[in-house]
Amino acid sequence: DAMVIQNPRYQVTQFGKPVTLSCSQTLNHNVMYWYQQKSSQAPKLLFHYYDKDFNNEADTPDNFQSRRPNTSFCFLDIRSPGLGDAAMYLCATSRDQADWEPQHFGDGTRLSIL
Amino acid sequence: SQQGEEDPQALSIQEGENATMNCSYKTSINNLQWYRQNSGRGLVHLILIRSNEREKHSGRLRVTLDTSKKSSSLLITASRAADTASYFCATGGGNKLTFGTGTQLKVEL
Repeated sequence: DAMVIQNPRYQVTQFGKPVTLSCSQTLNHNVMYWYQQKSSQAPKLLFHYYDKDFNNEADTPDNFQSRRPNTSFCFLDIRSPGLGDAAMYLCATSRDQADWEPQHFGDGTRLSIL
Repeated sequence: SQQGEEDPQALSIQEGENATMNCSYKTSINNLQWYRQNSGRGLVHLILIRSNEREKHSGRLRVTLDTSKKSSSLLITASRAADTASYFCATGGGNKLTFGTGTQLKVEL
């Protein structure tokens, strides 16, 4: 089945130690998104790629960066994680940027900061 | 700021009962989507309703949209324990999908 896969499901890192989360998709979708979701809150968009074009949300901290080396893979890099960055990180894709296109989510990576 | 706010924040019902969740939003929209999130999992798209539609059905789901009141409701009929999840409305779409605050639904046997 075509899907969005996130690895790892759980990630523990130390305060200030860089961490990378990965996402892959077999849907061949043009758009890939990264969301941050804190406990009992709505997902918050961090940034997205339309093909190779990177689009950062205005309030996404500089500490968060992303790479998309090819259509299938996208990475979220947190350069110096703070305690406030502990959250679920969700990757999603959509076929296009049309506003009727649904987004397809992976099961997320839960990040803990020690 | 979040586009949508949902109520109730939490809802607990018995299996077989209907569940209704409401979503209010602030600005004009082209469409509104509903997503489900099981605990510890990603979101799953349920249904999309366009701004020129008033009601839409999909299986046991019924969505209504009132653009004059900037509100939408999601009705789940004949609920099952497997419907236990958080439900989010989302507006915008394209490269800017903004989620509501969510309703946590618990369906008890």
